[in-house]
Amino acid sequence: AQSVTQLGSHVSVSEGALVLLRCNYSSSVPPYLFWYVQYPNQGLQLLLKYTSAATLVKGINGFEAEFKKSETSFHLTKPSAHMSDAAEYFCAVSLYGGSQGNLIFGKGTKLSVKP
Amino acid sequence: KAGVTQTPRYLIKTRGQQVTLSCSPISGHRSVSWYQQTPGQGLQFLFEYFSETQRNKGNFPGRFSGRQFSNSRSEMNVSTLELGDSALYLCASSLDGVVADTQYFGPGTRLTVL
Repeated sequence: AQSVTQLGSHVSVSEGALVLLRCNYSSSVPPYLFWYVQYPNQGLQLLLKYTSAATLVKGINGFEAEFKKSETSFHLTKPSAHMSDAAEYFCAVSLYGGSQGNLIFGKGTKLSVKP
Repeated sequence: KAGVTQTPRYLIKTRGQQVTLSCSPISGHRSVSWYQQTPGQGLQFLFEYFSETQRNKGNFPGRFSGRQFSNSRSEMNVSTLELGDSALYLCASSLDGVVADTQYFGPGTRLTVL
């Protein structure tokens, strides 16, 4: 069964430092993978999406993620953190149909950015 | 294009009452999914509608129901509310709800059950 694991429920970085949020997936078929961001009291906003066209995916706000099949990983990175990046980030794998729905989410990682 | 809209944004109800939440998808999108988000359980899938038909359903009791109208707008209903139903309810729309589709989320409805 497909699943997503996000390592670290809370990550804290200093402003200007590298952001690395980890996501590992398990899927019996080539997956479609997504990163979403959620700001307080808001819905989820798509950051980027992997659909097998390229292993390095660039998203909005300077974020990117690299699909590594051998490691079953899809980690999210940003070279330099900004205060406005403080939010909760969700990794998700797409599964068509079934009781788990079309998107299976990880538990989320809260990113804090220190000045 | 306007994004996904959800109404109301906030609701306070008491145990035993019922509630109806509304979702208007992005124009042209035919698939609407509903998710419940709680601190303990995270994001959990409720159900998905496509062309007015429920196509998939999550593991929630029958108190949770939904429907979709011919214009793709969707409503979800929760009857006999329980304290544990307090959550953020998110609606997401996509073109056809297939694997490669991107789901676009609304701002959510925050339901508090007292």
